[in-house]
Amino acid sequence: TQLLEQSPQFLSIQEGENLTVYCNSSSVFSSLQWYRQEPGEGPVLLVTVVTGGEVKKLKRLTFQFGDARKDSSLHITAAQPGDTGLYLCAGASPGDKIIFGKGTRLHILP
Amino acid sequence: GAGVSQSPSNKVTEKGKDVELRCDPISGHTALYWYRQSLGQGLEFLIYFQGNSAPDKSGLPSDRFSAERTGGSVSTLTIQRTQQEDSAVYLCASSRDYASSYNEQFFGPGTRLTVL
Repeated sequence: TQLLEQSPQFLSIQEGENLTVYCNSSSVFSSLQWYRQEPGEGPVLLVTVVTGGEVKKLKRLTFQFGDARKDSSLHITAAQPGDTGLYLCAGASPGDKIIFGKGTRLHILP
Repeated sequence: GAGVSQSPSNKVTEKGKDVELRCDPISGHTALYWYRQSLGQGLEFLIYFQGNSAPDKSGLPSDRFSAERTGGSVSTLTIQRTQQEDSAVYLCASSRDYASSYNEQFFGPGTRLTVL
């Protein structure tokens, strides 16, 4: 059974600080996706990483896919209250259903 | 519409009643997923439809839960004899091509189900 473990489960930090959240698996995925969910809404895709070692940047967010395509990280620089939300990673391979981690709940204090 | 829509947005029902939740995926998307999310928790996979193949029902928690996808488009999730532990937000998502490495999912806003 493929599993994705996310850490930490909860993170509460001050505005302006940096943070990293992790997504780990013992399985190889063709791609790794990161979603953010805000209260009362469905998750929204932030980024997809496909190549081992790939790094993608989205403003203050940096996403990295592990060389072996089993893990990923999300680094946020100078966090802002608008970054608050549930961050979900998901692993995908062709023909298989997407597997979601349980998420990291991030709270940025103003 | 441009996105995934779900109806109703909120449903309050009495224990023991049946409920139907509807999902309209993005036109042309071949894959459709149903998830359940309890308050403050992550996504619990329920069922997955991929093209014309038999659905993956491995996440359905009991035989009270069932889902259909008619004509490869609209899907209905039915919960029979609802229990209080069924209370949650039910999310639907669709993706364009289940055979793709990307398989990016587009989520609806969810149906909040409350069983009294």
